[in-house]
Amino acid sequence: QKEVEQNSGPLSVPEGAIASLNCTYSDRGSQSFFWYRQYSGKSPELIMFIYSNGDKEDGRFTAQLNKASQYVSLLIRDSQPSDSATYLCAVIRWGGGTSYGKLTFGQGTILTVHP
Amino acid sequence: EAGVTQFPSHSVIEKGQTVTLRCDPISGHDNLYWYRRVMGKEIKFLLHFVKESKQDESGMPNNRFLAERTGGTYSTLKVQPAELEDSGVYFCASRHGGSEQFFGPGTRLTVL
Repeated sequence: QKEVEQNSGPLSVPEGAIASLNCTYSDRGSQSFFWYRQYSGKSPELIMFIYSNGDKEDGRFTAQLNKASQYVSLLIRDSQPSDSATYLCAVIRWGGGTSYGKLTFGQGTILTVHP
Repeated sequence: EAGVTQFPSHSVIEKGQTVTLRCDPISGHDNLYWYRRVMGKEIKFLLHFVKESKQDESGMPNNRFLAERTGGTYSTLKVQPAELEDSGVYFCASRHGGSEQFFGPGTRLTVL
């Protein structure tokens, strides 16, 4: 079982729709959860992070965390063609003898927003 | 403020050769991480420096990989001798006090 699992996609949505990206993780000790966006050939760029159960909104993006279900999601409202990229889910387990701040990534979901 | 930079952007070498990758973190960031993405796989952690000290090198594949961070500034990752399975994109990231890691553009390594 992979530590962080994502549907690789591709996920295709029309412009203006809501894109929903999902991620599950296996380590119950995970404490911080991140969504990175990566355009082809570019570096991962942090979109959002979330620590607590519930929703966190930032502009068109909403991250949702359910620690009981070990599930993290990212909603993108009013999707734009410029949102087309690979979305990476990553988790951190702070301390506990592991490297401080080591990110464990999922494989990423390719999102395509078509006009 | 300059971001994380990596050099070279691409490297093509033959099996058995040596390659050295360089990462310059954001100035003042004590934490420096190396990650690698092999084609078709997820980005995986290689190692973590705090200043010049190796905090965790549990992700290093084998002893053909050597990372250094002289003076706690830039870092190098040397692969010697390179094997075919070392091909991939090597990312460097740096972090200051918060949780956000800032990634460099990566070095694409191709071993023929």
